[in-house]
Amino acid sequence: LAKTTQPISMDSYEGQEVNITCSHNNIATNDYITWYQQFPSQGPRFIIQGYKTKVTNEVASLFIPADRKSSTLSLPRVSLSDTAVYYCLVGATGNQFYFGTGTSLTVIP
Amino acid sequence: DAGVIQSPRHEVTEMGQEVTLRCKPISGHNSLFWYRQTMMRGLELLIYFNNNVPIDDSGMPEDRFSAKMPNASFSTLKIQPSEPRDSAVYFCASRPLGRGNNSPLHFGNGTRLTVT
Repeated sequence: LAKTTQPISMDSYEGQEVNITCSHNNIATNDYITWYQQFPSQGPRFIIQGYKTKVTNEVASLFIPADRKSSTLSLPRVSLSDTAVYYCLVGATGNQFYFGTGTSLTVIP
Repeated sequence: DAGVIQSPRHEVTEMGQEVTLRCKPISGHNSLFWYRQTMMRGLELLIYFNNNVPIDDSGMPEDRFSAKMPNASFSTLKIQPSEPRDSAVYFCASRPLGRGNNSPLHFGNGTRLTVT
């Protein structure tokens, strides 16, 4: 089971780019990296997933270095509505369903 | 696509009573998950099913908890008897199996359970 480590919390001002890094030193060859976002009183929502290099969608970008021992979720120009908890999950064969503590992002006006 | 549907949204019950939480996964999703979330323990995986068969129930806290999936469109999580420490938000999630091991989870909006 690939253990992940993320910062417990982060603050950012509106309009800034936010980068949240997740460490997963014992990632396995078949493991994918998946990020979820959770707002209060809602279930987690899938944001982005990647295996290597860079993935971008309409919400975020995911940067994965060559050794894949870490990944960085990048949120461009955050707004107040991006205040949420962000979870990084790693796995491919069943263990990708276990959530860690996540990173609580607070966007400040 | 209606998403994952959970009921009830809120449940308040007294200690010792039986509680049943319900979940309807997204149509075509053949893998279903039950999670529990508290401030102290975060988001815990309780059990998950593939094609209606329980695969991993190692997260079920004790014998008071049971989960069933009688068909592809319905699952229940039952607590009997309930205790105050069971108070939490319970989430159901589903995903399709046929798209490989990396298909993401789709969560419902949860059931907030309060046991007094």
